[in-house]
Amino acid sequence: DTAVSQTPKYLVTQMGNDKSIKCEQNLGHDTMYWYKQDSKKFLKIMFSYNNKELIINETVPNRFSPKSPDKAHLNLHINSLELGDSAVYFCASSQPGQFGQPQHFGDGTRLSIL
Amino acid sequence: AQKVTQAQTEISVVEKEDVTLDCVYETRDTTYYLFWYKQPPSGELVFLIRRNSFDEQNEISGRYSWNFQKSTSSFNFTITASQVVDSAVYFCALSEAGRDDKIIFGKGTRLHILP
Repeated sequence: DTAVSQTPKYLVTQMGNDKSIKCEQNLGHDTMYWYKQDSKKFLKIMFSYNNKELIINETVPNRFSPKSPDKAHLNLHINSLELGDSAVYFCASSQPGQFGQPQHFGDGTRLSIL
Repeated sequence: AQKVTQAQTEISVVEKEDVTLDCVYETRDTTYYLFWYKQPPSGELVFLIRRNSFDEQNEISGRYSWNFQKSTSSFNFTITASQVVDSAVYFCALSEAGRDDKIIFGKGTRLHILP
């Protein structure tokens, strides 16, 4: 059973388009995250949600908008895509309130902007 | 400010050699957690280990071992008798108490195990 699943796995689109990436976790965790991994493999947190409430927003452009319909889902919508948005986006989840719990990651979504 | 430094960008060793991946961290907190994650060529991120700041015991898991030294702010990772399947990017990471479970990752070390 997949613990954290992201769709799609690959996303190729043109500059200026709007796209969404979906994430679902079946671990019963309360907190979910989005990370961006650039071409140099640098992993940086973008957002975190705890039980549908935004907790972390790391100076990400307004074009990126996370949406959490329930605590098992955290989707990422990106407007007006730019070349610099090309990256691998990872969703993750963990159980808060138990500080230091490892985050469980999805397999990533590779976004390529043409 | 919290920071994780992995000075080794890329390492290549021949299979069966031992290899150590270095990790140095900075934090002002006395309570924190350190992690290692593996990212194989297939791209997924795999959790390897978590260590809290109050537990300096070294950990061994099969061919993997971790050396945590608060005196030098280091959390190094050693693979003994390396295998080709160990080829991956390895990330060291830090999480501070009261920081909303935010994890700061190092830039990773790409490890090549040559047959």
